[in-house]
Order: sequence, then C-alpha cells, then structure tokens
Amino acid sequence: AQSVTQPDIHITVSEGASLELRCNYSYGATPYLFWYVQSPGQGLQLLLKYFSGDTLVQGIKGFEAEFKRSQSSFNLRKPSVHWSDAAEYFCAVAPPDQGGKLIFGQGTELSVKP
Amino acid sequence: GAVVSQHPSRVICKSGTSVKIECRSLDFQATTMFWYRQFPKQSLMLMATSNEGSKATYEQGVEKDKFLINHASLTLSTLTVTSAHPEDSSFYICSATSRGRATDMQYFGPGTRLTVL
Repeated sequence: AQSVTQPDIHITVSEGASLELRCNYSYGATPYLFWYVQSPGQGLQLLLKYFSGDTLVQGIKGFEAEFKRSQSSFNLRKPSVHWSDAAEYFCAVAPPDQGGKLIFGQGTELSVKP
Repeated sequence: GAVVSQHPSRVICKSGTSVKIECRSLDFQATTMFWYRQFPKQSLMLMATSNEGSKATYEQGVEKDKFLINHASLTLSTLTVTSAHPEDSSFYICSATSRGRATDMQYFGPGTRLTVL
C-alpha cells in the first residue's frame, strides 16, 4: 500500500541551528514528492516539490530537500532555522497515475527555541 | 499565485443539522478539487476528489451520503455535512488544481473549522 512516513512527531531546535526533517515513502514507482508547511489553524503552503531531474531541490524560505531513490526518502533541510519557521511540516506524495491526489505523512511539529 | 478561498472559516452548529462549506478558486479554473479533513494534531486525510460536472469520487471509508460534494462550476465546489454529529467536528480543507494531474500545482484553501455541539 502507498504510504508516507515522517518518523519524528515533534522536533525542537535552537534558532540558528540546522534542521532536517525526515520523510520516507512506500510506492511501487517514484511518485511526485512535496513538502508543505502549515501554521496553526491555516491551510497549507508548498515549500518545494520534486518531479524529476536534479535530486536536490531548492524551495522557498531557504528550505531544500534531497530525493534519495535507494532510501525512498525525501528529507527536508534548512541550514539555519528562524523562529518564524515554527509550524507543522507535512511530506506528501502524489502517485503519477491517480489524478493528482496527495497522500500525506503524519506531520512533524517544529518548535524553535530562542 | 493562485488563490483558493473557503467559506465559512469557522462554523458551530447543533447536532443533527447540515452544514455547507464552499471552496472557490478565485483566479483560475479548477477542473479538480479535493476535500480533506484534519483532526487536531493529525495529518490531512483525503475524503474525496471532485471533478467539475461529474460525481465525486470518495475515498474508502468516507460516507458519500453524509458528505455531499457538488462541483457545479469550474470555480466552486461545496461540501455539505448532513446530519452533523460531534464526531464530525474537524478542520476541513479543500484544494484545487487546474487539470487534475499529479504534476499540476495544487492550491489549498485556508480551511474551515467545524464544531458540532
């Protein structure tokens, strides 16, 4: 079955420290991959996406993600976290043959301490 | 960028009543809209896929008679929660895409918080 796993439910980092949020997927072929961010009570904002090509993807707000086919992973990184990055982060996959529907991971809540 | 709105943003209703939530694409035509629900501290679960002019496709376990979806135009989809009960209380989020393909951008609405008393 198709699934997305974000192993870390909650992560706390200090402001200015680096960040890596993990995402693993299970799917027969390589799906399209996404990272979204959600602030409390808000909708989702797309940070970045991977369809094909360069496996290191740059996104908005200084985020990047690296697709590793051998590990079925798409981890999100940021070299220096800002207090405003505190939010819920969702990894999602879109199977290429299912009309654009997204399958979301459980989410990782990021807290940033001063 | 493209904008998707939802109305209302927050609704409180009594058990047994029906509630309609609107999802509008404001500056593009959305052939496909998706409806998700999100419980507190949990992920988004896809409820149904709505294509303009046709019946919605519901995910397994979602009651189509309880969650009525109508996509009557290229800019509007509605979700009606019929005979709502407290367990239907949740955050409902819609998204819209122009062509319904996996590579298309999917734009999310701000969500509707439903509380059933």
